[in-house]
Amino acid sequence: SQQGEEDPQALSIQEGENATMNCSYKTSINNLQWYRQNSGRGLVHLILIRSNEREKHSGRLRVTLDTSKKSSSLLITASRAADTASYFCATRDTGRRALTFGSGTRLQVQP
Amino acid sequence: DARVTQTPRHKVTEMGQEVTMRCQPILGHNTVFWYRQTMMQGLELLAYFRNRAPLDDSGMPKDRFSAEMPDATLATLKIQPSEPRDSAVYFCASGFVSPLWERTDYGYTFGSGTRLTVV
Repeated sequence: SQQGEEDPQALSIQEGENATMNCSYKTSINNLQWYRQNSGRGLVHLILIRSNEREKHSGRLRVTLDTSKKSSSLLITASRAADTASYFCATRDTGRRALTFGSGTRLQVQP
Repeated sequence: DARVTQTPRHKVTEMGQEVTMRCQPILGHNTVFWYRQTMMQGLELLAYFRNRAPLDDSGMPKDRFSAEMPDATLATLKIQPSEPRDSAVYFCASGFVSPLWERTDYGYTFGSGTRLTVV
């Protein structure tokens, strides 16, 4: 079963704009991860944030985590056409070992 | 870059036939996962192994699916007999997990998947 609900389901922006995707989850987590999936390909790990962290940066990516609201957001700054992909949040629940994935956000960056 | 290798990339088979999907995890990774992706259900966990031992296969239909790790370089997922509802993309992922799971903060590496179509 899916843990997270992602919002929006689809997002279309122009190159250079920022893209923000949100993820909500239901249980207590150890960490939350974001993955990217290009069409017809496997998932690529982008960034991980621990349950005791509130914000993390990696290049053009910024992730926030609010455990009181059970939500996370992924911000991609200065988007590029190559960022076009589906983005998934995944949680590693406390006491569980595998990841539970959200439903994903399809991002389209127009050149 | 180290990769998780899955074979075959595509498989079309007739209902009732046996299907075997293979995965070569990254050398040194001690945990292997099998996920299934469909439009309707998204990404679902089927099974996972740590140090080749099955830890959880509760997501797998037991009557027709089986997952094994005959050695550290090979994980297999079998479906027998296959049904049209098994059509999906099957992903293998591997990662290194420390003896204390709670202190493991690494992402996992996914293969490119096997796209299975059962007609």
